[in-house]
Amino acid sequence: DVKVTQSSRYLVKRTGEKVFLECVQDMDHENMFWYRQDPGLGLRLIYFSYDVKMKEKGDIPEGYSVSREKKERFSLILESASTNQTSMYLCASSSFRQGAGETQYFGPGTRLLVL
Amino acid sequence: AQTVTQSQPEMSVQEAETVTLSCTYDTSENNYYLFWYKQPPSRQMILVIRQEAYKQQNATENRFSVNFQKAAKSFSLKISDSQLGDTAMYFCAFRPDSNYQLIWGAGTKLIIKP
Repeated sequence: DVKVTQSSRYLVKRTGEKVFLECVQDMDHENMFWYRQDPGLGLRLIYFSYDVKMKEKGDIPEGYSVSREKKERFSLILESASTNQTSMYLCASSSFRQGAGETQYFGPGTRLLVL
Repeated sequence: AQTVTQSQPEMSVQEAETVTLSCTYDTSENNYYLFWYKQPPSRQMILVIRQEAYKQQNATENRFSVNFQKAAKSFSLKISDSQLGDTAMYFCAFRPDSNYQLIWGAGTKLIIKP
């Protein structure tokens, strides 16, 4: 089974802090995604990566950056956390080898509270 | 712009009943994929069912089936013989063939009552 893990289930940070959220997958997937989930808004894509060192902006990249130095690991960075970044963050991965319309496999999520 | 709409924020049914969750989408593309994902309370999001737009036959997975109406841009999920474990948020998602990106609906919270 595909396993996607995220470094923390819950995080509490102060405004202005630099925050690192890490995601690791164990299935050699090429694609990795960071989403933000807010009630009534569904999932919104922040960034995705289809290869090591490659990244593409999603719908809401402002205030975030990402890093993918190794295939299995995709990090989301909040350079200076703000209260409006309080949310649930979901990581997902998928593979082109599944063919078009591939399934995304999700991590358990990190619930971030910025005070 | 491509959008996905789930018009039912919350639904509840009795165990063993059948329930249908609605989803409509808007796109000008001809080739695309549609998904239903399930997020149980405090658990990971998982794929329930997938439909390819070029396939006319509706997808089924055990108790889960879809009613795909391409002309109407409608993709509803039917859960038969509902079980307590079906309690979850259900998200409809759309992916055009031309793009990696999934476009998500706002979700429907489904509660199965004993």
